[in-house]
Amino acid sequence: DGGITQSPKYLFRKEGQNVTLSCEQNLNHDAMYWYRQDPGQGLRLIYYSQIVNDFQKGDIAEGYSVSREKKESFPLTVTSAQKNPTAFYLCASSSRQVKNEKLFFGSGTQLSVL
Amino acid sequence: DQQVKQNSPSLSVQEGRISILNCDYTNSMFDYFLWYKKYPAEGPTFLISISSIKDKNEDGRFTVFLNKSAKHLSLHIVPSQPGDSAVYFCAASGVGASYGKLTFGQGTILTVHP
Repeated sequence: DGGITQSPKYLFRKEGQNVTLSCEQNLNHDAMYWYRQDPGQGLRLIYYSQIVNDFQKGDIAEGYSVSREKKESFPLTVTSAQKNPTAFYLCASSSRQVKNEKLFFGSGTQLSVL
Repeated sequence: DQQVKQNSPSLSVQEGRISILNCDYTNSMFDYFLWYKKYPAEGPTFLISISSIKDKNEDGRFTVFLNKSAKHLSLHIVPSQPGDSAVYFCAASGVGASYGKLTFGQGTILTVHP
């Protein structure tokens, strides 16, 4: 079954700690994205990548970092510079060949601060 | 600046009746609109979309209407079923935007009562 796998489902971060959220897809999609969801707000774009070894900042990139060394993988690191990291994080992918920009989402990671 | 707004945080309807979810946007460069459905602790799934060259798109029980002059779109679900209970996000993308750079509304929680 093709899809997007995010892990872990729940993650806790201590003060001053960096944590990394995993995102893997086997849909052969070129583009991958990270969104953040806070209660009462829409999904906000953190980073996106159109192709391997290239990525762009989204609307709220401060305090986050990403890498795209493989087509299938797009990990997100929440650094200690992110002062309000508690949120639900969603990874998504899309095919560059599809103009309608439909995104396929993973099941998300809930990050909480201890 | 919220470019896509869903002003109703929640909506409650009776099974079998019509559900109407509304969405307003401010950016006149948006030319493609999508609705996503999200269950708790899961990623959103694509529901239906509409291009700005149309004013209506229908898929089974789901119909999306677009009023470009009013910068307004709505999702109609007829008849509503208890399984439709979820959070519904509208999203928009614009001319020249990179694939998948969607701007999301805050979401509307739909509850369908048996």
